[in-house]
Amino acid sequence: QQPVQSPQAVILREGEDAVINCSSSKALYSVHWYRQKHGEAPVFLMILLKGGEQKGHDKISASFNEKKQQSSLYLTASQLSYSGTYFCGANSGNTPLVFGKGTRLSVIA
Amino acid sequence: DTAVSQTPKYLVTQMGNDKSIKCEQNLGHDTMYWYKQDSKKFLKIMFSYNNKELIINETVPNRFSPKSPDKAHLNLHINSLELGDSAVYFCASSQVGAGNTEAFFGQGTRLTVV
Repeated sequence: QQPVQSPQAVILREGEDAVINCSSSKALYSVHWYRQKHGEAPVFLMILLKGGEQKGHDKISASFNEKKQQSSLYLTASQLSYSGTYFCGANSGNTPLVFGKGTRLSVIA
Repeated sequence: DTAVSQTPKYLVTQMGNDKSIKCEQNLGHDTMYWYKQDSKKFLKIMFSYNNKELIINETVPNRFSPKSPDKAHLNLHINSLELGDSAVYFCASSQVGAGNTEAFFGQGTRLTVV
């Protein structure tokens, strides 16, 4: 079952913050976040496993609420390099990784 | 060393032809995938192979057939190509279940059917 992402698109000015949400109707074992730039393959950002952990590096972090079956990606003090399409992927135990429809993020100067 | 490699990178072909895209991973992962990304940029899962067993097969036409000669390879064969098959196809691999890892993607194959 495909996770649902919101918003579909967002435009930010450099230095602004953004939150991208991902939810599922099925119990989740792990949530993955990827960023894809135009003409390139998706690039892994982070993975969150069942247990409610929060991860982050640099100014990008994420949380995973397994009870609500939701994950959020937090982008703080956005930079031009953050532009791209963000995908959340989810699986339940041994099931394959299925992606949401993506959130297009544009950071402008 | 490239973790997931797929060939070719570009493929232009006429309607009605049969073509294959190859994918190989050297990560020792037990699961490989094929995703289709259309002009709207949706990453739609097409197939997944876990230890050579097909474990998910979305509503894709049976003109598409995955072939996995071993755990490190998952090729995609497409018969009777149609205009609507034009898209970017990504191969990926990961470890699911215990030891769950991120998915590593190949560079993508841009298929154009004319």
